[in-house]
Amino acid sequence: GAVVSQHPSRVICKSGTSVKIECRSLDFQATTMFWYRQFPKQSLMLMATSNEGSKATYEQGVEKDKFLINHASLTLSTLTVASAHPEDSSFYICSASPRGSNQPQHFGDGTRLSIL
Amino acid sequence: GEDVEQSLFLSVREGDSSVINCTYTDSSSTYLYWYKQEPGAGLQLLTYIFSNMDMKQDQRLTVLLNKKDKHLSLRIADTQTGDSAIYFCAENRAGNMLTFGGGTRLMVKP
Repeated sequence: GAVVSQHPSRVICKSGTSVKIECRSLDFQATTMFWYRQFPKQSLMLMATSNEGSKATYEQGVEKDKFLINHASLTLSTLTVASAHPEDSSFYICSASPRGSNQPQHFGDGTRLSIL
Repeated sequence: GEDVEQSLFLSVREGDSSVINCTYTDSSSTYLYWYKQEPGAGLQLLTYIFSNMDMKQDQRLTVLLNKKDKHLSLRIADTQTGDSAIYFCAENRAGNMLTFGGGTRLMVKP
C-alpha cells in the first residue's frame, strides 16, 4: 500500500517551455503533498507544501510564480515549472502522507527535468 | 550546519553488516525514518521508529535509537550488492514535514 505515482519520469524541452509534473496517491487520500528538488549528490530540498483545497506554502527562496502548485483533489497535486530555463534543470520529487498525524511520507519516483 | 547529520560514505564487503549513523537535533520529533534512494529514483521508505522505542527490527534491518544522545542508526545484516544506494535519515516536524540528513552513500563490494 501507500503508492505514490509521479509523471512524467523524464522531460527534455527547450528554454521557455512550461512543464507540468503530476503527483498522485494511488491507494490513499493525501491532504498534504510535498514537492522537493534534489541537486546532484545532495539531499532533498523542500520547495513547498501543498494542501488540498488551499494555497501551497512555499519555502523561503522558492519563487511561487515560477513553481506553480495546484492540489485540486485528495489524490492529485501538480507542479508547473513556468517558462523553464536551464537553471531549472533538476530532479523533482513529490511525496504524500496519508491522513492523520505522524504518518510517514511516501515518495514518487521523481522527474528529471532537463532544459536545453 | 544541518539539523540532521550523516556521514557521507560507507563501503562494506558483500555479506558483512553495514551500520549507517545519524544525529538529529529536534528532541520533540515523534518519528524518525530511514529512506533508500537508488540512482535516478525517488525515495523508498525502509523503516521508521517511534521516539519512545529503543530498537526496531525488520528482517535484515535493525534501527537503534538513543534519544538521550539524539543518535539513530540503521544496521543492515548480510549486506548485498543490491543494497548499494544512498540512505537518508529524516526526522518529522510539525505538519508531517521532514528534515533530511545529507545522505550516506553505501557501496557494497562483491
